[in-house]
This record gives sequence, structure tokens and C-alpha cells, in this order.
Amino acid sequence: EVQLVESGGALLQPGGSLRLSCAASGFTFSNAWMNWVRQAPGKGLEWVGRIRSKTHGGTTDYAAPVKGRFTISRDDSQNMLYLQMNSLKTEDTAVYYCTTEDGSSAFWGQGTLVTVSS
Amino acid sequence: DIVMTQSPDSLAVSLGERATINCKSSQSVLYTSNNKDYLAWYQQKPGQPPKLLIHWASTRESGVPDRFSGSGSGTDFTLTISSLQAEDVAVYYCQQYYTTPRTFGQGTKVEIK
Repeated sequence: EVQLVESGGALLQPGGSLRLSCAASGFTFSNAWMNWVRQAPGKGLEWVGRIRSKTHGGTTDYAAPVKGRFTISRDDSQNMLYLQMNSLKTEDTAVYYCTTEDGSSAFWGQGTLVTVSS
Repeated sequence: DIVMTQSPDSLAVSLGERATINCKSSQSVLYTSNNKDYLAWYQQKPGQPPKLLIHWASTRESGVPDRFSGSGSGTDFTLTISSLQAEDVAVYYCQQYYTTPRTFGQGTKVEIK
């Protein structure tokens, strides 16, 4: 059974930094492309970015609002996906989901809440 | 970026009746080399993550009831729930995966009339 479990959400002030983690199991993580998707309270879904598998270069793509501030990385030895978030803004407040990426997103974690507020 | 626009924003349908949600993309998401539309539909119930219902515009995910169907091509797509059940109350999103950034529609809330 595929499982994705996010962690690391917190309440922090604008300008702060945070790293989210996503523990993956039930599939061959090293072959998987992975996404981060976020959802602000009461709002819709917003794609944050993705990371390709190492065999496809392990490269990343980001949405414009987070480019240059957020970094997606992976540790295939630990089946872990990460989202490093720097220079956080109030508009980054959201539930952050990790998802598999095979074009569409077949599997989602339960999400972790990040609140940025002064 | 490809803009995805859903209509309506919300709808109320009687149990057993048909619900229809439309999704329009600002440019075609049909990849002509393989004749596939890079369009997915998700269902999100309160307090839960989204669930993939349909990909390639019309292919149901395993385990998704056959009352859910997707249609359309190019820039215009439809999600149809043929006979609404109480458990279908949710917000539905379309998403294009033709290119990055992946983009979602704003969501359509489906309720029971």
C-alpha cells in the first residue's frame, strides 16, 4: 500500500525558514517523480513544484510564487522527500501535500500545516 | 501558464440526479503525438486530501465508481456524476498536466439539494 506521510509543519513568523519532510513507502520511491502541492485555508489547490527521479536527472521545477525561496530535494536511501522553505511570507500559509507525479497525482499524503503569521 | 476555469463554482443536485461540472483550459492540453489529453479530475472531501478520480480526461482510476465519467478534448472538458449519491458531496478540481506549472481549476462544490 502506498503511503505518504508529511511532517514538519509549524507556526512561524514572516521571513522564517522551515523544512517539510515526506516519508514514502509502498512503492519504489527512487523511480518516482514527486510533487509538492499546497492549499491555503478555505482555498483551492496550488502546485508548488516537483522533482524528477535521479535516473531522469533529479532536476526540479517550481511555481513562480516560490521560485528562489523553496527547494525540493530527495533522499532515495531513506525514501524521503523534502521541501526547504526560506523567506516565508504570510501568503505561504497552507496545508502542504506531497504527491506522486506520473503526470497526474495518484497518491497524496494527509498534509502538514504551515502557518506564517506575525 | 495554462489557466483552468471551472463552471459552475457550486451546484446543488438532488440525490439520484445528474451533476455536470465543466472545465476549460486557456490552451489545448491535447498532446497530438499520442492523442492524449493531459487532464485529470480530483475529488476532495472536507478534511481529506484530494483523491484522483480520472486521468487522461476520461480514464477512471481503479476503484472509482462508474457513475463518475470524464469527457472532452483539447480545451473543453466535463466531469459527470450520473446519479448523485450522498457520499459524492465534495469539491471537485480539474488539473492540467500538459506542462509545468501544473495548474488546477478553482474547484466546484457539489452539494445535495
